[in-house]
Formats: sequence, structure tokens, C-alpha cells
Amino acid sequence: AQRVTQPEKLLSVFKGAPVELKCNYSYSGSPELFWYVQYSRQRLQLLLRHISRESIKGFTADLNKGETSFHLKKPFAQEEDSAMYYCALSGQYGGSQGNLIFGKGTKLSVKP
Amino acid sequence: DSGVTQTPKHLITATGQRVTLRCSPRSGDLSVYWYQQSLDQGLQFLIQYYNGEERAKGNILERFSAQQFPDLHSELNLSSLELGDSALYFCASSVDTGAGEKLFFGSGTQLSVL
Repeated sequence: AQRVTQPEKLLSVFKGAPVELKCNYSYSGSPELFWYVQYSRQRLQLLLRHISRESIKGFTADLNKGETSFHLKKPFAQEEDSAMYYCALSGQYGGSQGNLIFGKGTKLSVKP
Repeated sequence: DSGVTQTPKHLITATGQRVTLRCSPRSGDLSVYWYQQSLDQGLQFLIQYYNGEERAKGNILERFSAQQFPDLHSELNLSSLELGDSALYFCASSVDTGAGEKLFFGSGTQLSVL
């Protein structure tokens, strides 16, 4: 079955330290993967998607099909990065890319 | 503000009752998605509508139904409510950016079934 796993519920780092939020997926076809972020008291919003190979707010994520992973990385964490991060996989339900399977999320806390 | 509006923000009701959640997508977005977020299941896709037609179904119970109206707003109807239906219900609308769809989420409706 298609599945997204985020093994860490909480990740705590100090400002300036590197961050890696882990995401593993299970999917039989060609996956479309996304990272969504929810800052405190804000709505869930798209951070980045693998198809764009972009860097947003210093974050990058590389799709590794061999390891079925899509880890989110940032070399130097900032306090404003503190938020809930969700990895998501699209494509199970056909049709549009918006039918997403979400992981349970990782809460990132960046300490001063 | 994503431009997606959900009402009401909070809803408290009793088991066995029926409620309707409303979503207005961003201007021009034709797709509306409904998601349920609960502590044990996380965020789960329920159903998608595109320009008034059902496009895809996810983990939506038979007690739940949805529709999208000609003005593109959508309603999610939950009936015979059970305690386990207590959750945060999100709606999202989407735009195709040319590099794939981008979802814009509403702030959600918190449903409490007592």
C-alpha cells in the first residue's frame, strides 16, 4: 500500500545547526513528493516539491528512489523555521496531484 | 491568508447529528479537496471535486458526502455523527502552476462530537 513515513515526531536543534527531516515512502509507480509546512497559527502551505528541484527558504529535498526517501534538509537552521513539517505523496487516487497521502508530521523546534 | 475560506471555524454537536461544513475556494480555482486531520490518523484525503464534478475519492465514509455548486463553493455533509468523527476538517483549492498543482489550504473547521 502507498504510505508516507516520518519517523520523528519531534526534532529539536540549535540555531545555526544543520537540519534533516526524514521522509520515506512506499509507492509502486513514479512518485510525486512534496513538503508542506504549518507555522504556528498559520495555514498549511506548500514548501517545496521534488519535481521543481527548488530551494525554498534554504530548504532542499532530493528524491532518492533507491532508498525511497525524500528527506528535507537545511544547512543552518533559523528560529523562524520552527514549525510542523509534513511530507506528502501524490498519485494514489488518480486524477489530480492534490490527492495527497500525508505523513504524520515532524515538529521542528529551533532553539536560540 | 490563502484565499480559501472555511465556515464555521468551530462546531460542537452530539452523536447522531448531521452537520454541514462549507468551503469557498480561491477565485478562479476549479478544484476543491477535503481532508480530515485527527490525532490517530493524521491528515487523510477524503474527496475531490473539479468544476462541480466528483473527481476522486479517498478514505471517505459512506456517512459523509460532499458536493460542489455552480459558484464553485463546496459543502461537506457529515451525518450520523460518532465520537470518532471529531477532527479538524480542511478544505483546499488548487491551481496548476505548469510544474504541477499547488494546494492552498483553508484554516479548517474544528468539529467536536460529544
